[in-house]
Amino acid sequence: DIQMTQSPSSLSASVGDRVTITCRASQSISSYLNWYQQKPGKAPKLLIYAASSLQSGVPSRFSGSGSGTDFTLTISSLQPEDFATYYCQQSYSTPGTFGPGTKVDIK
Amino acid sequence: QVQLQESGPGLVKPSETLSLTCTVSGGSVSSGSYYWSWIRQPPGKGLEWIGYIYYSGSTNYNPSLKSRVTISVDTSKNQFSLKLSSVTAADTAVYYCARVPYCSSTSCPYGMDVWGQGTTVTVSS
Repeated sequence: DIQMTQSPSSLSASVGDRVTITCRASQSISSYLNWYQQKPGKAPKLLIYAASSLQSGVPSRFSGSGSGTDFTLTISSLQPEDFATYYCQQSYSTPGTFGPGTKVDIK
Repeated sequence: QVQLQESGPGLVKPSETLSLTCTVSGGSVSSGSYYWSWIRQPPGKGLEWIGYIYYSGSTNYNPSLKSRVTISVDTSKNQFSLKLSSVTAADTAVYYCARVPYCSSTSCPYGMDVWGQGTTVTVSS
């Protein structure tokens, strides 16, 4: 299985901050990388697919980049509704493994 | 707008079989445009992909669960189902169903774009 890691595991930020989360794959996955947002008690929500494509309806302050083994999710200006846990997931091969998550909370 | 809804027992005894159903509304499970997936999340932990099914009945399972998992589809009821046998406390989790756009190769440039709300299953005697 392809192993996914994320850093940091948690971060504290303020509204308006630029936030960057990193995801790394144990082998090259080309651009087959997805990002999800999960709020407590809710299902994950797809934000970014294919490393950099914004899912329909997702605000443009979210962006993704990277290819191969290293990927980044950036929130350009953190909003109150963005405090959540973020997961990356590879769709290069099955099983589609997830990263352990990055929790973004209020500073 | 497509919606997914999980249903099934919230409590399962150890060694028994966990059975869940996902009902698709606003769309068709027979659409050739999607895979229909199951994912789970143990309490306080991360997400684990269980497997998916295509409307034709073709399946793909997580090797770590493959010996115990069966995913099936019932096009007449617009549902797909998960069975997990010989459960233990480690199978206690929130179980989600979700859909993924179909692609013709193992590598898919798509994520899970519609999710059910999730259902909590506890394994305990």
